[in-house]
Amino acid sequence: EDKVVQSPLSLVVHEGDTVTLNCSYEVTNFRSLLWYKQEKKAPTFLFMLTSSGIEKKSGRLSSILDKKELSSILNITATQTGDSAIYLCAVEGGGETSGSRLTFGEGTQLTVNP
Amino acid sequence: DTGVSQNPRHKITKRGQNVTFRCDPISEHNRLYWYRQTLGQGPEFLTYFQNEAQLEKSRLLSDRFSAERPKGSFSTLEIQRTEQGDSAMYLCASSLGWDTRAVAEAFFGQGTRLTVV
Repeated sequence: EDKVVQSPLSLVVHEGDTVTLNCSYEVTNFRSLLWYKQEKKAPTFLFMLTSSGIEKKSGRLSSILDKKELSSILNITATQTGDSAIYLCAVEGGGETSGSRLTFGEGTQLTVNP
Repeated sequence: DTGVSQNPRHKITKRGQNVTFRCDPISEHNRLYWYRQTLGQGPEFLTYFQNEAQLEKSRLLSDRFSAERPKGSFSTLEIQRTEQGDSAMYLCASSLGWDTRAVAEAFFGQGTRLTVV
């Protein structure tokens, strides 16, 4: 069974701090690893990573995948209060019959205080 | 059509009652997914459709759960004889195509929050 574990589960920082969120996975026939941000309701897509070592960047957010270690990190620099959210890691994988479903981790609840 | 629409947004029901949720995907999106999210957990896959065909169901989807997408457009998720453990947010997502990028960028609806009392 596919499994995704995120750490820490909860993190409280001050504005301007840099944070690193971790994601490790066990999945059959890995296809991609995805990061989402979830505020009040629906998750919104951040990054998709398929190859090791390639860093994805979007402003203050960046992410790297390590396929050897079966893990990924999400970095947020110069955090702002608007970064407060749950950050979800998900993997797409499975056998031929599993289609394109995603397996999500529990999420990291990030709180950025002013 | 600005996104995935789910109705109702909130539903409170008594244990043992049946409930039905509706999801309207983005127009022309041929893939539709249902996920369930409980407090403090990430979304859990329930099932997905390619047009009107239900291609996969999670074992989480017990025989009390049934999903349909009769004309390949909107979908319904019905829970019969609800139990307190069914209380959760039910999320619907849709995507155009089935390649990895499309799955990753699937658009989620705002969800239906079910409370079983």
